[in-house]
This record gives sequence, structure tokens and C-alpha cells, in this order.
Amino acid sequence: SQKIEQNSEALNIQEGKTATLTCNYTNYSPAYLQWYRQDPGRGPVFLLLIRENEKEKRKERLKVTFDTTLKQSLFHITASQPADSATYLCALVRATDSWGKFQFGAGTQVVVTP
Amino acid sequence: EAQVTQNPRYLITVTGKKLTVTCSQNMNHEYMSWYRQDPGLGLRQIYYSMNVEVTDKGDVPEGYKVSRKEKRNFPLILESPSPNQTSLYFCASSPNGNQPQHFGDGTRLSIL
Repeated sequence: SQKIEQNSEALNIQEGKTATLTCNYTNYSPAYLQWYRQDPGRGPVFLLLIRENEKEKRKERLKVTFDTTLKQSLFHITASQPADSATYLCALVRATDSWGKFQFGAGTQVVVTP
Repeated sequence: EAQVTQNPRYLITVTGKKLTVTCSQNMNHEYMSWYRQDPGLGLRQIYYSMNVEVTDKGDVPEGYKVSRKEKRNFPLILESPSPNQTSLYFCASSPNGNQPQHFGDGTRLSIL
């Protein structure tokens, strides 16, 4: 089955810097790759979606890239703020016969210090 | 307000006592799903439903049952709970099976 790896160590970053998170996967290439934010005690909240035929998507200070050759997605938070401190999850869904079957990474915790 | 509502939020129970966690969404979404979240393992999908009366297994369906008799509700049933089902559970919904999901706030189950 698909294996998804995200950095298990927390990413500590200074306010104003760019945080870069990785999501690596094995086996099949997902049709869709999504990024979510999760705060302690809360459910994940959707941030960005990128399709297999897209290289990059942006939303305000967030950017996600998708490299199907490397089997990797990078998630960037530019001009980071303390309010960006949270755990970030990547999620993959396969195409065609597996619509609806999601697999999530374990998440990377980001801590932004003033 | 668009939301996914789970009940109860917290439950402590004993092995073997059947329980149901309810999930309801008010966004008229076709797709709903259940996950469990354990430290270091991330979110693992239990069951999902593409539409009314259509349910499929996720990666960890053993010990769970679901039903989808109406679009807005997707209850998770533990017929005979065991301690290894102690976890944080999330319900989610989306317009279809590949779009972003809206998550509930979770149900923390402790089975003694």
C-alpha cells in the first residue's frame, strides 16, 4: 500500500522566515494531493489542493509544489507568523477506482517563534 | 454555519459494550468518511461513503461498522469495543470523493 512520509521532527522557525515541509510517498502517484492544518484538540482544516498535472499552487502566503518524478510535495509558508504554529498534514487520493480512499501522513509540527 | 458535528466529544466505556458515535453534516455533501488518529500514525481511514447506501472499507475497518441511510448522517458503530480502539476519531465530509474535506472536532474514545 501507499507509504507517506512527513518529517516527524518539529520544525522550529523564526517569525518572518519561510517554513518548508516535505511529503514523500511511495508506490502510485496520487491524482490529488492535499494539505491540511491541525491545531491541538481540533479537526484538520483544508489549506491547498494540487492535482497530478499541476506543478505549483499558491494561496496567499502558502505555496505547494508537486513533483511526480521525485514522488514529493513541498509545502511552503512564507513570512511565517506565530499564528502559523500548528501541525500540517498531507493527504493523497488515488485516481479512478479509488476515489474516496484517502491516506494521510503523520504530520509535521511547525513552531514559529517571535 | 457549515459544519460537521460529532457526538459525543468524549466517552469512557468498557470492553464489549456497544457504542455509536454519530456524525452529521449540513452541507449536503455526497461523501463522508471516518478516521482514527493515533500518535505517530496520523489519520487512518476506517470507512467512507460516496453516497447514500454506498459504503467502502478504508485501511483499518476491523472492529467497526457504518451505515449511510440518509445523506446527512454517517454513524460509526463499535459492536464490541476493545482497548485497542482507544483513539481520537474524526468524521469528515466533502462534495465528492476527491475534494477537500470538512472535519468535525473529534471524538475521544477511551475503552477500558
